[in-house]
Order: sequence, then structure tokens, then C-alpha cells
Amino acid sequence: ETGVTQSPTHLIKTRGQQVTLRCSSQSGHNTVSWYQQALGQGPQFIFQYYREEENGRGNFPPRFSGLQFPNYSSELNVNALELDDSALYLCASSFRTSGEETQYFGPGTRLLVL
Amino acid sequence: KQEVTQIPAALSVPEGENLVLNCSFTDSAIYNLQWFRQDPGKGLTSLLLIQSSQREQTSGRLNASLDKSSGRSTLYIAASQPGDSATYLCAADNAGNMLTFGGGTRLMVKP
Repeated sequence: ETGVTQSPTHLIKTRGQQVTLRCSSQSGHNTVSWYQQALGQGPQFIFQYYREEENGRGNFPPRFSGLQFPNYSSELNVNALELDDSALYLCASSFRTSGEETQYFGPGTRLLVL
Repeated sequence: KQEVTQIPAALSVPEGENLVLNCSFTDSAIYNLQWFRQDPGKGLTSLLLIQSSQREQTSGRLNASLDKSSGRSTLYIAASQPGDSATYLCAADNAGNMLTFGGGTRLMVKP
């Protein structure tokens, strides 16, 4: 157990809908990153939040957005869902000092878009 | 743009064998190189993190090496066990925990 939790565990949506995924970071961690993992592939970096500000972004369109709250929990929002958004969404938390710390991953939310 | 490749994509070995998983990356300006384990349908478990200034890290039966100049890392698993069956992912960190992952090696260790 990493101390990072995600909800829900599974989710089914239809194309065009919006979805919100949630992540609760490990206690004391101030940085959260989100990744998308398509079936049979490695995770791809979506974005990172540090102290409630977006700190970096991968090659994902603006319909992928996020929030980090004062208690360092986080949300990933995806608008106008597409079939290709079907994937396992992982969040990872860490405590930023030098930026080289181990990340702790949650179990993921599996999203299916029909 | 960093690209990470893992070879082989899948590997099946009998219990007890020593094995090597390979990872290559295109941009050597990394903070660190990390190896993770992923069980089916689960999240990632960190196995080893090699800082850019280090050559290797060891944890139990696992040993990971890093050669930045050639853009390569290897994960060595000694005396493999059925419980080692999982997908192994390597990831390069170029920008402070914003990881670029390879596609993974799916390992099956047969009793």
C-alpha cells in the first residue's frame, strides 16, 4: 500500500460526456502527477500540480484539466470524452524538494468510454 | 523529446533463471531513471531509482544499472520466482518527476 487512493475504481461513460476522477495523496506530499495508461502500453504523463498550481504538462489537449486542493488532494477532469480516452488513469504523489523524489502511485481509475 | 524503449516486450522463463530486462532512452539529460512493477489491473510499485550521478542500485534480488552516455539501463533479476511475474516498466525523469515511460516488459516466470 502506497497511501495514495483514487476514486472511483471503475467508470463507464459515453462519448461527449464529462468525467471527474479523484486522487488523495499520501500524507505530507505536495506534488501530484497524473498519467494515462492505454491497454498494453506504458503510462503517459498528463500534467503535474505543485502547491495548487499546474507545474508541467504533457502532450494532452486542454479538455484535460486538473485541480489540486489545499489538502493536496487532486482532481482530473476530462471534457468531451472520446473513445480513445478509455484507459487506466493513475495519479502519483511525492514531496518536492529537489524534484528527484520517489513517486507513490495510486491503484488507478479504469475509464471506459462507449 | 524523450523516448523510452523496452526490450523484450514479453519474456517467459522457468523458475530459478537469472534474467535481464533492457531499457533505452534518447535524451541523456535525466535527473534519474526509475524501474517500476505493475501487476495486472493495478497501479505501479517503485522498485529502484537510480540518480543521474549513480551507476547502479540494488534491492534484494534486483539490480539496476545506468549508462547515461549510451542511453541504456538494465534491470537484473536473480533467481526468478513465479511471484516475479508482472509487467516491468522503466521511466526517465527529465523534468522533476514528470516521467517518460517505456512500453514495459511482460514477464512470466513458470514454476
